[in-house]
Amino acid sequence: DAGVIQSPRHEVTEMGQEVTLRCKPISGHNSLFWYRQTMMRGLELLIYFNNNVPIDDSGMPEDRFSAKMPNASFSTLKIQPSEPRDSAVYFCASSPILGSGSNEQFFGPGTRLTVL
Amino acid sequence: DQQVKQNSPSLSVQEGRISILNCDYTNSMFDYFLWYKKYPAEGPTFLISISSIKDKNEDGRFTVFLNKSAKHLSLHIVPSQPGDSAVYFCAASVSFGSNFGNEKLTFGTGTRLTIIP
Repeated sequence: DAGVIQSPRHEVTEMGQEVTLRCKPISGHNSLFWYRQTMMRGLELLIYFNNNVPIDDSGMPEDRFSAKMPNASFSTLKIQPSEPRDSAVYFCASSPILGSGSNEQFFGPGTRLTVL
Repeated sequence: DQQVKQNSPSLSVQEGRISILNCDYTNSMFDYFLWYKKYPAEGPTFLISISSIKDKNEDGRFTVFLNKSAKHLSLHIVPSQPGDSAVYFCAASVSFGSNFGNEKLTFGTGTRLTIIP
């Protein structure tokens, strides 16, 4: 298995531009999570999906952020318009089927976003 | 408000010695705890976990201790090896054993461990 796949790995953009981050979870996993890592706050959960349905988006910082999961194998996190304070590493993670008895999440390599 | 706190941003330990990483939490509803390890330019990877029904879990060189009354857990690595140099994240959830399962994890800010050869 290739693991969780994220693209792009690096993104540099200018303030005001739209940014779209992409994630392909591990096949068969039914939960998907988007995190943001910063020095000050560590790993913050932005939103998570279960069976493609958003369950908790309380971590989404502002209306500028939106996330979708149109099917079990693809999710996007969009920032529009982007701001310099959005600069961070964004991780996507997935976890296995319900009742597996484990809360382990499998992380992708992350997307390093820089907004100038 | 940080519900999971790792108060030491960094720690340096001599190779072969014991590394002890600490984590405190404030939410008494947390019932499952995990440690993740992260190398530069990679995503975090799962290391070891413990449920609130236990106070210790061991896996090779790694042992996690849970003190529920103090709302404190620690990760012990012994002996420490150069490959252990990484950032370690503590995480907690309220979901272990629930029917829903796979709920969200609340992470700490991480501790950067450096093993000195």
